[in-house]
Amino acid sequence: KAGVTQTPRYLIKTRGQQVTLSCSPISGHRSVSWYQQTPGQGLQFLFEYFSETQRNKGNFPGRFSGRQFSNSRSEMNVSTLELGDSALYLCASSLRQGRNTEAFFGQGTRLTVV
Amino acid sequence: GENVEQHPSTLSVQEGDSAVIKCTYSDSASNYFPWYKQELGKGPQLIIDIRSNVGEKKDQRIAVTLNKTAKHFSLHITETQPEDSAVYFCAAINPSGTYKYIFGTGTRLKVLA
Repeated sequence: KAGVTQTPRYLIKTRGQQVTLSCSPISGHRSVSWYQQTPGQGLQFLFEYFSETQRNKGNFPGRFSGRQFSNSRSEMNVSTLELGDSALYLCASSLRQGRNTEAFFGQGTRLTVV
Repeated sequence: GENVEQHPSTLSVQEGDSAVIKCTYSDSASNYFPWYKQELGKGPQLIIDIRSNVGEKKDQRIAVTLNKTAKHFSLHITETQPEDSAVYFCAAINPSGTYKYIFGTGTRLKVLA
């Protein structure tokens, strides 16, 4: 069974640009959550999508957005990049059904803003 | 707001010794507590989890204990090996609420050969 796939693995962007990251969840999983990981702030929740709808959002500015497609694949977008957006962006896939709350992470996309 | 405190931030043990990492959560409605291991350059990997209806769960060399009254849960690794060296994260979640994982700040475990 394939795991969570994130693309690309690495990105270098300049300030002011925008970026789109992609996440393909485990087959059959309908929930995709996104997290930002930095050395100083740890793992911070960005948002969660379930059945193409954003269900929850963390405390991030509106420059961070996302969407989910009918096949459960998800994308997140960051506009007007700032140096502080440099981080490892992780997505997690979950069945989110009844007691099945386990979340499985992808390898992440390492974004560097210069 | 919701918070998970994790201690210690770094932990060094001799190979073969035990390691214990502790977490405290604030949301009393949390009922699922996973532990993740993150190796360099990789995403977090789920290694063990516990639900609020049990007090302890064991899987070979790793075990997790939960004290709901005190809102504490702990990861125990016995007979540590060099490959256990990684960053470990605890998390708490209230599936009936916002369904967002609240993570601890991580513990960097070093197992010295």
